[in-house]
Amino acid sequence: SAVISQKPSRDICQRGTSLTIQCQVDSQVTMMFWYRQQPGQSLTLIATANQGSEATYESGFVIDKFPISRPNLTFSTLTVSNMSPEDSSIYLCSVERPARETHGYTFGSGTRLTVV
Amino acid sequence: SQKIEQNSEALNIQEGKTATLTCNYTNYSPAYLQWYRQDPGRGPVFLLLIRENEKEKRKERLKVTFDTTLKQSLFHITASQPADSATYLCALVRNSGYALNFGKGTSLLVTP
Repeated sequence: SAVISQKPSRDICQRGTSLTIQCQVDSQVTMMFWYRQQPGQSLTLIATANQGSEATYESGFVIDKFPISRPNLTFSTLTVSNMSPEDSSIYLCSVERPARETHGYTFGSGTRLTVV
Repeated sequence: SQKIEQNSEALNIQEGKTATLTCNYTNYSPAYLQWYRQDPGRGPVFLLLIRENEKEKRKERLKVTFDTTLKQSLFHITASQPADSATYLCALVRNSGYALNFGKGTSLLVTP
């Protein structure tokens, strides 16, 4: 069963700087998904990361702001660039588990980002 | 556009009662629907998946129904306990791709 290690768990950053979030999965997966959860809101998909190709971004999210790397089938990073207070959110990575029926999708524990 | 709607109001119930949460969706033709639990500061945790040809599914004290005609799923927690207090999210796979779309979630508070 897939387990995701996500770090950092939280950070406080100055505006204008960048933060890179890492997700390590304990098994190989084709697709990894990055979400943002703003305070009091549900999860919004940022992008889908496939190994060996450019990430696919959702409307409202661009590569310059949220560059993603996917160097292999167990690892991905999301960078939040040139941060502003509006970027303060929880960022989560997720993968679909092979036994979807009984295990669904697995999520990392999240990165709580505060931009000051 | 695709929408998933859940009870926007928080649900407060007494321990031992049955909690019923609603999920309605539009512009999906889902093969299955999922429910997740999210605790504060944590990522969602998978609870149940129900297929379009299943009317009902149970797991311990949890029961999910799925009515593709009404485009609705109901999520029940029987004999609720304070430890069941959390936000419950309904999720569907997007029509394009494999990622999940989520409802806003319903916050459940079970009081002793």
